[in-house]
Amino acid sequence: AQSVTQLDSHVSVSEGTPVLLRCNYSSSYSPSLFWYVQHPNKGLQLLLKYTSAATLVKGINGFEAEFKKSETSFHLTKPSAHMSDAAEYFCVVSEPGTALIFGKGTTLSVSS
Amino acid sequence: NAGVTQTPKFRILKIGQSMTLQCTQDMNHNYMYWYRQDPGMGLKLIYYSVGAGITDKGEVPNGYNVSRSTTEDFPLRLELAAPSQTSVYFCASSYGHGSQETQYFGPGTRLLVL
Repeated sequence: AQSVTQLDSHVSVSEGTPVLLRCNYSSSYSPSLFWYVQHPNKGLQLLLKYTSAATLVKGINGFEAEFKKSETSFHLTKPSAHMSDAAEYFCVVSEPGTALIFGKGTTLSVSS
Repeated sequence: NAGVTQTPKFRILKIGQSMTLQCTQDMNHNYMYWYRQDPGMGLKLIYYSVGAGITDKGEVPNGYNVSRSTTEDFPLRLELAAPSQTSVYFCASSYGHGSQETQYFGPGTRLLVL
Protein backbone atom coordinates (compact mmCIF):
# COMPACT_ATOMS: atom_id res chain seq x y z
CA ALA A 1 0.00 0.00 0.00
CA GLN A 2 1.14 3.47 -0.73
CA SER A 3 1.84 6.01 1.98
CA VAL A 4 3.61 9.31 2.45
CA THR A 5 5.41 10.73 5.48
CA GLN A 6 6.35 14.36 5.91
CA LEU A 7 9.17 14.27 8.38
CA ASP A 8 8.66 17.73 9.87
CA SER A 9 5.36 19.18 10.98
CA HIS A 10 6.86 22.67 11.27
CA VAL A 11 9.93 24.30 9.69
CA SER A 12 11.12 27.80 10.53
CA VAL A 13 13.63 29.71 8.40
CA SER A 14 14.85 33.26 8.04
CA GLU A 15 14.16 35.21 4.88
CA GLY A 16 16.94 34.64 2.35
CA THR A 17 18.03 31.26 3.77
CA PRO A 18 17.45 27.88 2.11
CA VAL A 19 14.29 25.87 2.57
CA LEU A 20 14.18 22.07 2.93
CA LEU A 21 10.88 20.24 3.44
CA ARG A 22 11.30 16.49 3.71
CA CYS A 23 9.03 13.81 2.31
CA ASN A 24 9.40 10.03 2.25
CA TYR A 25 7.03 7.76 0.41
CA SER A 26 6.15 4.10 0.15
CA SER A 27 4.82 2.63 -3.06
CA SER A 28 4.61 -0.77 -4.72
CA TYR A 29 4.71 0.74 -8.19
CA SER A 30 6.33 3.65 -9.93
CA PRO A 31 4.45 6.46 -8.26
CA SER A 32 3.69 9.98 -9.26
CA LEU A 33 4.61 12.50 -6.59
CA PHE A 34 3.34 16.01 -6.07
CA TRP A 35 3.96 18.98 -3.81
CA TYR A 36 1.01 21.27 -3.15
CA VAL A 37 1.05 24.55 -1.25
CA GLN A 38 -1.82 25.97 0.77
CA HIS A 39 -1.75 29.60 1.85
CA PRO A 40 -3.98 30.62 4.76
CA ASN A 41 -7.68 30.35 3.93
CA LYS A 42 -6.90 29.37 0.36
CA GLY A 43 -7.21 26.21 -1.70
CA LEU A 44 -4.30 23.96 -2.61
CA GLN A 45 -2.06 24.99 -5.48
CA LEU A 46 0.25 22.64 -7.36
CA LEU A 47 3.94 23.51 -6.89
CA LEU A 48 5.44 20.69 -8.92
CA LYS A 49 5.04 17.04 -9.84
CA TYR A 50 7.20 14.06 -10.69
CA THR A 51 5.85 11.62 -13.27
CA SER A 52 8.82 9.31 -14.06
CA ALA A 53 10.62 11.73 -16.36
CA ALA A 54 13.52 13.82 -15.03
CA THR A 55 14.28 13.10 -11.38
CA LEU A 56 14.95 16.76 -10.62
CA VAL A 57 11.69 18.62 -10.98
CA LYS A 58 11.41 22.39 -11.10
CA GLY A 59 8.23 24.07 -9.98
CA ILE A 60 6.78 27.49 -9.53
CA ASN A 61 8.23 30.28 -7.35
CA GLY A 62 11.76 28.84 -7.39
CA PHE A 63 10.93 25.53 -5.73
CA GLU A 64 12.35 22.23 -6.87
CA ALA A 65 12.30 18.62 -5.72
CA GLU A 66 14.44 15.60 -6.41
CA PHE A 67 13.02 12.09 -6.74
CA LYS A 68 15.41 9.59 -5.14
CA LYS A 69 14.15 6.06 -5.61
CA SER A 70 16.94 4.48 -3.55
CA GLU A 71 15.99 6.66 -0.57
CA THR A 72 12.23 6.72 -1.34
CA SER A 73 12.35 10.47 -0.88
CA PHE A 74 10.98 13.52 -2.64
CA HIS A 75 12.28 16.49 -0.66
CA LEU A 76 11.26 20.04 -1.57
CA THR A 77 13.90 22.77 -1.66
CA LYS A 78 14.28 26.44 -2.42
CA PRO A 79 17.61 28.29 -2.35
CA SER A 80 16.31 31.47 -0.72
CA ALA A 81 13.12 31.81 1.29
CA HIS A 82 10.77 34.72 0.83
CA MET A 83 8.17 35.96 3.28
CA SER A 84 5.45 34.98 0.81
CA ASP A 85 6.56 31.33 1.04
CA ALA A 86 5.03 31.02 4.50
CA ALA A 87 2.29 28.42 4.05
CA GLU A 88 1.33 24.77 4.53
CA TYR A 89 3.00 22.31 2.17
CA PHE A 90 1.66 18.87 1.31
CA CYS A 91 3.53 15.98 -0.24
CA VAL A 92 1.21 13.70 -2.22
CA VAL A 93 1.73 10.25 -3.75
CA SER A 94 -0.37 8.64 -6.44
CA GLU A 95 -0.37 5.21 -8.04
CA PRO A 96 -2.30 4.07 -11.12
CA GLY A 97 -5.94 3.42 -10.30
CA THR A 98 -5.80 4.80 -6.79
CA ALA A 99 -6.70 8.00 -5.06
CA LEU A 100 -4.19 10.63 -4.04
CA ILE A 101 -2.58 10.02 -0.65
CA PHE A 102 -1.71 13.20 1.22
CA GLY A 103 0.92 13.68 3.86
CA LYS A 104 -0.06 15.47 7.05
CA GLY A 105 1.55 18.68 5.92
CA THR A 106 4.51 20.86 6.90
CA THR A 107 3.97 24.41 8.07
CA LEU A 108 6.71 26.72 6.81
CA SER A 109 7.32 29.90 8.80
CA VAL A 110 9.57 32.62 7.40
CA SER A 111 10.93 35.36 9.65
CA SER A 112 12.47 38.63 8.61
CA ASN B 1 -11.50 30.93 -16.14
CA ALA B 2 -12.69 30.96 -12.55
CA GLY B 3 -11.37 27.42 -12.06
CA VAL B 4 -13.05 25.60 -9.16
CA THR B 5 -15.45 27.64 -7.06
CA GLN B 6 -17.11 26.62 -3.78
CA THR B 7 -19.93 28.08 -1.76
CA PRO B 8 -20.40 28.91 1.04
CA LYS B 9 -16.99 29.88 2.44
CA PHE B 10 -18.06 29.28 6.02
CA ARG B 11 -21.09 27.79 7.71
CA ILE B 12 -22.18 26.93 11.22
CA LEU B 13 -24.66 24.06 11.55
CA LYS B 14 -26.52 22.66 14.51
CA ILE B 15 -26.39 18.92 15.14
CA GLY B 16 -28.96 17.17 12.96
CA GLN B 17 -29.30 19.93 10.41
CA SER B 18 -28.64 19.33 6.75
CA MET B 19 -26.89 21.36 4.11
CA THR B 20 -25.41 21.21 0.63
CA LEU B 21 -21.91 22.36 -0.21
CA GLN B 22 -21.75 23.63 -3.76
CA CYS B 23 -18.87 23.08 -6.17
CA THR B 24 -18.58 24.26 -9.77
CA GLN B 25 -15.74 24.06 -12.27
CA ASP B 26 -15.48 25.76 -15.64
CA MET B 27 -12.55 23.79 -17.07
CA ASN B 28 -14.72 21.07 -18.66
CA HIS B 29 -13.05 18.47 -16.47
CA ASN B 30 -14.60 15.03 -16.34
CA TYR B 31 -13.33 14.13 -12.90
CA MET B 32 -14.38 15.83 -9.69
CA TYR B 33 -13.59 15.11 -6.04
CA TRP B 34 -14.61 16.03 -2.54
CA TYR B 35 -12.06 16.00 0.29
CA ARG B 36 -12.15 16.89 3.94
CA GLN B 37 -9.20 18.31 5.84
CA ASP B 38 -9.03 17.91 9.59
CA PRO B 39 -6.55 19.88 11.73
CA GLY B 40 -3.00 18.55 11.45
CA MET B 41 -4.01 16.01 8.85
CA GLY B 42 -3.78 15.67 5.11
CA LEU B 43 -6.81 15.59 2.89
CA LYS B 44 -9.08 12.54 2.87
CA LEU B 45 -11.21 11.64 -0.15
CA ILE B 46 -14.96 11.55 0.54
CA TYR B 47 -16.48 10.95 -2.90
CA TYR B 48 -15.45 11.33 -6.49
CA SER B 49 -17.09 11.37 -9.89
CA VAL B 50 -15.78 10.29 -13.28
CA GLY B 51 -18.47 12.10 -15.23
CA ALA B 52 -22.07 13.23 -15.19
CA GLY B 53 -24.27 10.59 -13.57
CA ILE B 54 -21.37 8.55 -12.17
CA THR B 55 -20.13 8.79 -8.60
CA ASP B 56 -18.19 6.54 -6.25
CA LYS B 57 -17.14 6.41 -2.62
CA GLY B 58 -13.74 7.46 -1.41
CA GLU B 59 -12.01 6.74 1.88
CA VAL B 60 -14.47 8.50 4.24
CA PRO B 61 -17.97 8.58 2.66
CA ASN B 62 -20.15 7.93 5.72
CA GLY B 63 -22.58 10.75 6.46
CA TYR B 64 -22.32 12.30 3.01
CA ASN B 65 -24.04 12.04 -0.35
CA VAL B 66 -23.19 13.42 -3.77
CA SER B 67 -24.75 13.80 -7.18
CA ARG B 68 -23.39 14.77 -10.58
CA SER B 69 -26.12 15.87 -12.94
CA THR B 70 -23.85 18.09 -15.07
CA THR B 71 -20.17 18.19 -15.95
CA GLU B 72 -19.75 21.49 -14.13
CA ASP B 73 -21.42 20.84 -10.77
CA PHE B 74 -20.68 18.37 -7.99
CA PRO B 75 -22.62 19.18 -4.79
CA LEU B 76 -21.92 17.45 -1.48
CA ARG B 77 -24.86 16.81 0.82
CA LEU B 78 -24.76 16.40 4.61
CA GLU B 79 -28.07 14.96 5.77
CA LEU B 80 -27.71 14.85 9.56
CA ALA B 81 -24.82 17.00 10.63
CA ALA B 82 -22.65 15.65 13.45
CA PRO B 83 -19.76 17.30 15.35
CA SER B 84 -17.38 14.82 13.69
CA GLN B 85 -18.14 16.53 10.39
CA THR B 86 -16.58 19.76 11.56
CA SER B 87 -13.83 20.20 8.98
CA VAL B 88 -12.68 22.11 5.94
CA TYR B 89 -14.09 20.72 2.73
CA PHE B 90 -12.29 21.02 -0.58
CA CYS B 91 -13.63 20.30 -4.02
CA ALA B 92 -11.21 19.47 -6.83
CA SER B 93 -11.32 18.57 -10.49
CA SER B 94 -9.03 17.02 -13.07
CA TYR B 95 -9.10 16.34 -16.77
CA GLY B 96 -8.24 12.68 -16.37
CA HIS B 97 -7.94 10.19 -13.54
CA GLY B 98 -4.49 8.82 -14.12
CA SER B 99 -1.83 8.90 -11.44
CA GLN B 100 -0.07 11.75 -13.24
CA GLU B 101 -3.08 14.03 -13.45
CA THR B 102 -3.01 17.36 -11.68
CA GLN B 103 -6.01 18.10 -9.53
CA TYR B 104 -7.21 21.70 -9.27
CA PHE B 105 -8.66 22.73 -5.94
CA GLY B 106 -11.29 25.19 -4.87
CA PRO B 107 -10.78 27.61 -1.95
CA GLY B 108 -12.62 25.40 0.53
CA THR B 109 -15.69 25.54 2.76
CA ARG B 110 -15.13 25.74 6.49
CA LEU B 111 -17.90 23.91 8.37
CA LEU B 112 -18.52 24.01 12.09
CA VAL B 113 -21.13 21.68 13.62
CA LEU B 114 -22.26 22.56 17.12
